[in-house]
Amino acid sequence: AQKVTQAQTEISVVEKEDVTLDCVYETRDTTYYLFWYKQPPSGELVFLIRRNSFDEQNEISGRYSWNFQKSTSSFNFTITASQVVDSAVYFCALIRDDKIIFGKGTRLHILP
Amino acid sequence: DSGVTQTPKHLITATGQRVTLRCSPRSGDLSVYWYQQSLDQGLQFLIQYYNGEERAKGNILERFSAQQFPDLHSELNLSSLELGDSALYFCASSVGVAERGEQFFGPGTRLTVL
Repeated sequence: AQKVTQAQTEISVVEKEDVTLDCVYETRDTTYYLFWYKQPPSGELVFLIRRNSFDEQNEISGRYSWNFQKSTSSFNFTITASQVVDSAVYFCALIRDDKIIFGKGTRLHILP
Repeated sequence: DSGVTQTPKHLITATGQRVTLRCSPRSGDLSVYWYQQSLDQGLQFLIQYYNGEERAKGNILERFSAQQFPDLHSELNLSSLELGDSALYFCASSVGVAERGEQFFGPGTRLTVL
């Protein structure tokens, strides 16, 4: 069975601190895709990144970075120098054969 | 603005009723996906259509059905509504299939069943 676990239900940090959101997945497949989405208070889901199972290279996009480790089945997301606008719910998702499994999400509060 | 539109934004109805939610994908996108987001179940994938054909099915109840029309817009039909069906229903679209590209989400339809 496929599963995505985001163990951190809610995190609060002070602005400018770095914060890492954890994502652990389970799948028996060798080919799969992992995604991160952001859901700000406005409600719409915003795509952040896609990673396929054959590409373990870490990625950095501005203040955002992702650490994909197949050995530990994790795809963690780090925000550096957090800002109040980063406050949102973040979802990790696993896709295989068009079946999409979302984690429960992590609600991130950035305090001014 | 993602380019995906959903109507209506809000819907309030009673148990036992039937409703239809509508989604227009981004121009050029062939895939449409439906999701349900509720407090207890989280974000759940319901169903995907690609160019008019059903492509993947998730946790969609038998009381729910969907279709994608030739102009690529999609409708999600919810019938015999129960209190537990109250949720935010999202539609998303993508150019190809789910694995290959990002999905663009609409603003959602908030359904309240009284």
